[in-house]
Amino acid sequence: QQKVQQSPESLIVPEGGMASLNCTSSDRNVDYFWWYRQHSGKSPKMLMSIFSNGEKEEGRFTVHLNKASLHTSLHIRDSQPSDSALYLCAASDTNTGKLTFGDGTVLTVKP
Amino acid sequence: GPKVLQIPSHQIIDMGQMVTLNCDPVSNHLYFYWYKQILGQQMEFLVNFYNGKVMEKSKLFKDQFSVERPDGSYFTLKIQPTALEDSAVYFCATGTINERLFFGHGTKLSVL
Repeated sequence: QQKVQQSPESLIVPEGGMASLNCTSSDRNVDYFWWYRQHSGKSPKMLMSIFSNGEKEEGRFTVHLNKASLHTSLHIRDSQPSDSALYLCAASDTNTGKLTFGDGTVLTVKP
Repeated sequence: GPKVLQIPSHQIIDMGQMVTLNCDPVSNHLYFYWYKQILGQQMEFLVNFYNGKVMEKSKLFKDQFSVERPDGSYFTLKIQPTALEDSAVYFCATGTINERLFFGHGTKLSVL
């Protein structure tokens, strides 16, 4: 069973709109969440990480974490066509260092 | 769903030895990637490979590293010779253009 579940599998939003991506871990040992973005044919780049309950904002990107439910979400406001990419969520157990990735969400921002 | 298999799951070797990490990709995938994750740190891109050639590689992809996929078999990462700092988990990922990547579960390499 996949330990990191991402939803939706794909998402289409209009330019200027809000994109919301979800990620949940079923492993209660994880304590760190990562969001990566990968443009087609390129290497993944880490966007944000979070380990505390609450919210973290960097520019147009906001990440939420609920540690009780092991759920994190990534929100992109004022989406741009250049945001079109694969978004990967990963959860890590800092005791073991094991990093587990979800299958990703493909985001398409339509001009 | 489709699975990317990495073999072995754990490899322990002595410094200076050669090691080959194997990745069995999803059957119709044409793009292949290796990533390196040092314990507790973020995943870092090493190299991507398409149509029999390296397309892009990072600074982490040292001269001691090489990749190949002979005759459509395993996609391999070879390190020769290995160094202590090569100890990490190596993830293989495969995909097709404009679609999601499928990652393997990683090979943990321990260089002693």
